[in-house]
Amino acid sequence: KQEVTQIPAALSVPEGENLVLNCSFTDSAIYNLQWFRQDPGKGLTSLLLIQSSQREQTSGRLNASLDKSSGRSTLYIAASQPGDSATYLCAVDYTGGFKTIFGAGTRLFVKA
Amino acid sequence: DTEVTQTPKHLVMGMTNKKSLKCEQHMGHRAMYWYKQKAKKPPELMFVYSYEKLSINESVPSRFSPECPNSSLLNLHLHALQPEDSALYLCASSQDTMRTEAFFGQGTRLTVV
Repeated sequence: KQEVTQIPAALSVPEGENLVLNCSFTDSAIYNLQWFRQDPGKGLTSLLLIQSSQREQTSGRLNASLDKSSGRSTLYIAASQPGDSATYLCAVDYTGGFKTIFGAGTRLFVKA
Repeated sequence: DTEVTQTPKHLVMGMTNKKSLKCEQHMGHRAMYWYKQKAKKPPELMFVYSYEKLSINESVPSRFSPECPNSSLLNLHLHALQPEDSALYLCASSQDTMRTEAFFGQGTRLTVV
């Protein structure tokens, strides 16, 4: 069964801290993996997309890595700010029949 | 313009009502999606349209009826819903179904009373 797991489920850190969010998936046959941010009651904002042939992508203070062989991706947030508080979701696009599977998300709270 | 626009933002409807959710994008994307999201849960795929044709229906009850009038618009027609259908309904689009970057709208918060 194709599954996506995110750890931790929730995280509270002081402002300025660097942090890592984890995403693991059970099947390495993927097209890509995408990280999203979701504010309460809102839609999803795309942060980074990593194609299956890539190892990492960077955007500003965000860096996402992908290791297909181990079925893992990490989202690194540098110098966290209170405005980073949100739920972060990873979504894996599996090959063979078109299926996007979302993780349950990590709820991040950055304290000022 | 990387925007997906959904209307209305909020909708309250009775179980005997008929209503529609609308989604629009002007990025030239040829794949459009409907997702349902319950509180504190990840989005669940409902329907996928590729080049204006329905390509995926994830066993969604017939009280939900999607429609893609043209390449920029996606509708979700609602009829005889149940209170458990209350959720955030999200529309998304991507360049094609080969899973390029997906862009989401802000969602419609639906409450069925």
